[in-house]
This record gives sequence, structure tokens and C-alpha cells, in this order.
Amino acid sequence: DTGVSQDPRHKITKRGQNVTFRCDPISEHNRLYWYRQTLGQGPEFLTYFQNEAQLEKSRLLSDRFSAERPKGSFSTLEIQRTEQGDSAMYLCASSFRDPHTEAFFGQGTRLTVV
Amino acid sequence: GDSVTQMEGPVTLSEEAFLTINCTYTATGYPSLFWYVQYPGEGLQLLLKATKADDKGSNKGFEATYRKETTSFHLEKGSVQVSDSAVYFCALAHQAGTALIFGKGTTLSVSS
Repeated sequence: DTGVSQDPRHKITKRGQNVTFRCDPISEHNRLYWYRQTLGQGPEFLTYFQNEAQLEKSRLLSDRFSAERPKGSFSTLEIQRTEQGDSAMYLCASSFRDPHTEAFFGQGTRLTVV
Repeated sequence: GDSVTQMEGPVTLSEEAFLTINCTYTATGYPSLFWYVQYPGEGLQLLLKATKADDKGSNKGFEATYRKETTSFHLEKGSVQVSDSAVYFCALAHQAGTALIFGKGTTLSVSS
């Protein structure tokens, strides 16, 4: 296992289109997190899963955003009806138990909405 | 709510200079504190952490001490190298253990 992988690395989409990102965590990790990072800012928490259960969602996660983690393995983040304000880097991270232990981050998916 | 404030960058240093990047936090309870680093073209990776007051985290010559009285976790290195050029993020994990809260990041550029 080579770490957390995210696909695609880059996505350019037209406003109003739907996009879906995938994250494959480190296989033994039961926690998976999604963050969003805009230019000049640190990552902002969006949501996290413990196994297949989505336990918390940030206020940043509008109803156009949905995340899933079927069977507690990979996760997908879908954005419907994309807006220019959705342009950002979307980061996935995984950890064994909680963020008090080390979280391992993927390289992110850069979304550009034109 | 919980928050992390770190010094604005960019920080530009010559090789072998001393580095300090300030980080202060606001949180209830007793959070764990972290420094993550992002090298160009790579993902965030943990640099060091401290889980309770007066703990010192250290790695690769970097150090930071958890100071509860000043709510700070400043990052220091005695002699920086060109290879230390990266973006450094201070973060906290709340006692409740939900997710990391990050500062805005500080860009460090080291020249030879």
C-alpha cells in the first residue's frame, strides 16, 4: 500500500455540471476525511467517515455536496451543479482512529469550474 | 469555536539560518497540536506533534513545544536547509476527536 490516493488529480468542468472525486485510503485505516483547500488558506474540514458511517458534516458542505464510503473502503465526493466558488483543492485523508493519531493525506484533486 | 493562527508568510531565509514560525491556538479542553508540511507537488505530511502541555515534538531537526499558558506551539529549527522550502501548517485536533483544524499555512523559502 503506497498511501492515500485520489483520482483524478485535476478536473476542469463547466459551471452547472456534476463532478465526482474518488479517494482510496490506506487499507487498514477506519477513518476517512475530506477537506477543501483554497489558495492561501489551510485545509477546511468537510466531512468524515468512521468505517462506512458518515459521522460529521461541516456547514461548508452544502446540499449540493454528497459523500459516500460504501463498505468502509474507498470514498467518493460528488458536487452537483458546480459553481465557480467550488474551485479548490479537495483533499482526502485517512487515519487509524482519530486525528490525535497521524492523518495521512492524499495529493488532492484540483477542481477548476469555468 | 476552535481556531489556529499562524504567522503570515512568506518567510525567506538563507541556508543555515534559524527558523521560527509562530502558531497560537484557541480551543476548549486539551487539544493535540501538530505541524504538517507540504513540499512542492506533494501531499501534506506530519512533521511533528504534541499531545499534552509541555510536550516537545521533534523531527528532522524541527522542534515545537506545547505551551498551554500561552496557547502556543511555535515551530523552530536551528539551521535550515534549501530542502526545507515548503508550506508549513499548524493544526489542532480537538479533545472530542473529530477533525483537524488548520492554520492558513506559512510558506518558507530557503536560498543557498
